[in-house]
Amino acid sequence: AQSVTQPDIHITVSEGASLELRCNYSYGATPYLFWYVQSPGQGLQLLLKYFSGDTLVQGIKGFEAEFKRSQSSFNLRKPSVHWSDAAEYFCAVGALNTNAGKSTFGDGTTLTVKP
Amino acid sequence: NAGVTQTPKFQVLKTGQSMTLQCAQDMNHEYMSWYRQDPGMGLRLIHYSVGAGITDQGEVPNGYNVSRSTTEDFPLRLLSAAPSQTSVYFCASSYSSSRQYEQYFGPGTRLTVT
Repeated sequence: AQSVTQPDIHITVSEGASLELRCNYSYGATPYLFWYVQSPGQGLQLLLKYFSGDTLVQGIKGFEAEFKRSQSSFNLRKPSVHWSDAAEYFCAVGALNTNAGKSTFGDGTTLTVKP
Repeated sequence: NAGVTQTPKFQVLKTGQSMTLQCAQDMNHEYMSWYRQDPGMGLRLIHYSVGAGITDQGEVPNGYNVSRSTTEDFPLRLLSAAPSQTSVYFCASSYSSSRQYEQYFGPGTRLTVT
């Protein structure tokens, strides 16, 4: 069975500092990996995705993530955090074909940004 | 393009009542899913569908029913509401193409069962 672990429940960073959110996954085949962001009271918005190819993927809002198969990780990074980045972040693993639409989500990491 | 829409936004039910959460998408997506979100537990899959007339259970299907008569609509029915079903419910849809496989989420329905 597929699973996702986000080890950090809550992270606080100062505005302008760099950010890394950790994600570890368990999946039997090549994973399809996603990072979503959720602002308070809102739905989820896709930040970036990895299917294959270049292991460093760029997303919206200046985020990037690196897929490391050997470590089963897909960590999200941003070089300089803005106050508007405060939100909850979810890592997810998905599949295709008959399993499409069955993404498994981590429990989320809440990001607080200090002025 | 409205994307994924959900109604209602908020709902309060008494234990034992039934109701239907509506979900619609106008992107011609084949795949649709229902998730529930509880504090500290991420999103858990309730039911999903790979096309009209085809549905299957997810991780937490008990107490919920779905049907998919059209590509656009995927309603979620609570048969007899229980306080344990107090949650935020999200509907999502996606393409089947591997190149465009991310899920698009609705704004959610916040349900309270008293």
